[in-house]
Amino acid sequence: DSGVTQTPKHLITATGQRVTLRCSPRSGDLSVYWYQQSLDQGLQFLIQYYNGEERAKGNILERFSAQQFPDLHSELNLSSLELGDSALYFCASNDGRVGTGELFFGEGSRLTVL
Amino acid sequence: ILNVEQSPQSLHVQEGDSTNFTCSFPSSNFYALHWYRWETAKSPEALFVMTLNGDEKKKGRISATLNTKEGYSYLYIKGSQPEDSATYLCACYGGSQGNLIFGKGTKLSVKP
Repeated sequence: DSGVTQTPKHLITATGQRVTLRCSPRSGDLSVYWYQQSLDQGLQFLIQYYNGEERAKGNILERFSAQQFPDLHSELNLSSLELGDSALYFCASNDGRVGTGELFFGEGSRLTVL
Repeated sequence: ILNVEQSPQSLHVQEGDSTNFTCSFPSSNFYALHWYRWETAKSPEALFVMTLNGDEKKKGRISATLNTKEGYSYLYIKGSQPEDSATYLCACYGGSQGNLIFGKGTKLSVKP
């Protein structure tokens, strides 16, 4: 158990809908990362937060947004969903050390868009 | 854009075989290299984080080396066991990306 909690584990929804994925980081970790893993793709970096502030941004679509709250949990909001958004979304956390802090991953939220 | 390449894509070995795979990354502006082990139906777990050229790290039967000048890292598994079956991911932090970029992984299957 990594200590990172993600909910929901599975989610099935329709195109055009909006969903929110939630992540609670490991106790003591200040930084949260979101990654997307689609079929035949590696882990694609979406966004990183450190202590409530956005620290780095990857190829995150404009339809997607995220935030980290004062209690350090994070939410990833996906809107106007398309079939291609079906993927496994991972949240990871670490202590915020730039580059050298190993990531602790949650079990992922599997999103299926029909 | 920082590109991390892993080879081979997949590997099938017999129990007891030793094996190794490669992670290639741009050598310019290198900062850190991570290796993760990802078992099916679980989440990735960190094996090593390496920063120095020539660095070598070991955890049990698994070891890794790093060459930052030429931009590659090797992961070695000695005497593979069925429980080593997993996808091994490498990730690089460097350049102007400001984030950890993952390769697509090497999927290892170890047959008893």
